[in-house]
Amino acid sequence: EADIYQTPRYLVIGTGKKITLECSQTMGHDKMYWYQQDPGMELHLIHYSYGVNSTEKGDLSSESTVSRIRTEHFPLTLESARPSHTSQYLCASSKGSGGPYEQYFGPGTRLTVT
Amino acid sequence: DQQVKQNSPSLSVQEGRISILNCDYTNSMFDYFLWYKKYPAEGPTFLISISSIKDKNEDGRFTVFLNKSAKHLSLHIVPSQPGDSAVYFCAASSQTGANNLFFGTGTRLTVIP
Repeated sequence: EADIYQTPRYLVIGTGKKITLECSQTMGHDKMYWYQQDPGMELHLIHYSYGVNSTEKGDLSSESTVSRIRTEHFPLTLESARPSHTSQYLCASSKGSGGPYEQYFGPGTRLTVT
Repeated sequence: DQQVKQNSPSLSVQEGRISILNCDYTNSMFDYFLWYKKYPAEGPTFLISISSIKDKNEDGRFTVFLNKSAKHLSLHIVPSQPGDSAVYFCAASSQTGANNLFFGTGTRLTVIP
């Protein structure tokens, strides 16, 4: 059973605020990912990491930033939230080299920027 | 440009019958395919996968078929149960693409009791 956690689950925040979405996994997975999903749309990869101190941008351009200081932790930060950032953000993790491997997802954070 | 397509946004099936969900892809470099199931307000849950060296993979009530020449895969659920009602996402990856997943837009399956 996958153990990957995201907080908060829901967040309503005003324009211009700085926010950090938390993601942690207890499986020791090397690779971690952030996806953005709007209703009825596909999941878009916005950031991923191969391991500690490794971060890469995904296919969808995003104004968010990520860090990977510890294997289990992969937070996503928006310096100044805007209504266009309203979306669901999903964190995932998978084993590293020797794949391919399935990704395990957290429950998601539903972000609303007013 | 969407590389993984699920052209049916919804599907309704009677309980006990077979559900067939379809997925098409355009990138011939994809070599690993997955199906995920998603309930509202939850993250996707991995269901089943298939490597491009196979054309069928079965796990209990779930079977995935891959037709590489047609760039098409399908998920069969038999027998369908009301608890299977969810959104199903098809995803694909390639080793040359860092094994990152590309997702379809999903198909909402409703199993009618």
